[in-house]
Amino acid sequence: DAGVIQSPRHEVTEMGQEVTLRCKPISGHNSLFWYRQTMMRGLELLIYFNNNVPIDDSGMPEDRFSAKMPNASFSTLKIQPSEPRDSAVYFCASSLMGDTEAFFGQGTRLTVV
Amino acid sequence: DQQVKQNSPSLSVQEGRISILNCDYTNSMFDYFLWYKKYPAEGPTFLISISSIKDKNEDGRFTVFLNKSAKHLSLHIVPSQPGDSAVYFCAAPTPGSARQLTFGSGTQLTVLP
Repeated sequence: DAGVIQSPRHEVTEMGQEVTLRCKPISGHNSLFWYRQTMMRGLELLIYFNNNVPIDDSGMPEDRFSAKMPNASFSTLKIQPSEPRDSAVYFCASSLMGDTEAFFGQGTRLTVV
Repeated sequence: DQQVKQNSPSLSVQEGRISILNCDYTNSMFDYFLWYKKYPAEGPTFLISISSIKDKNEDGRFTVFLNKSAKHLSLHIVPSQPGDSAVYFCAAPTPGSARQLTFGSGTQLTVLP
């Protein structure tokens, strides 16, 4: 298995632009998580899905952030409009529902200038 | 409110010596703990875990100790190797069915040759 695949690996965008981050979870996994890593706040959970259904989005910082999971093999995290303070590394992770071990992708480093 | 805390942002040890990374938690309902290791430009990878019914779990050079009364766990690496240099995160899944992980802020371990 190729593991959790995220794209792009790096994204540089101008403030105000829309940014879309993509994630392909491990095949067979039915839980998917979006995390954000910053120096100030460490690794924080933004949202997670079970069986493609958003369960808890209380970690999403603002309405500018939205996430979708249209099917079991694909999820997106969108920021519209982006701001410089959104600059961070965004990780997607997946697991079997109820399992404690989550497998992480390599992350997308987002820079908003 | 940080439920999982790693109070040492960095640690340096000499190759061959023991590395001890510490983690404290506040939620007495946590029943499982994980350690993740993260190299630069990569996602966190699972290292070792421990259930709250145990006080020790060992896997090769890595041992995790759990002190429930003190709400404290530690990761021991013996002997430390330069390839162990990474950021180590302590994590705990939320009680109940959701099981999303709450992470500590991480400790940067540097093993000096």
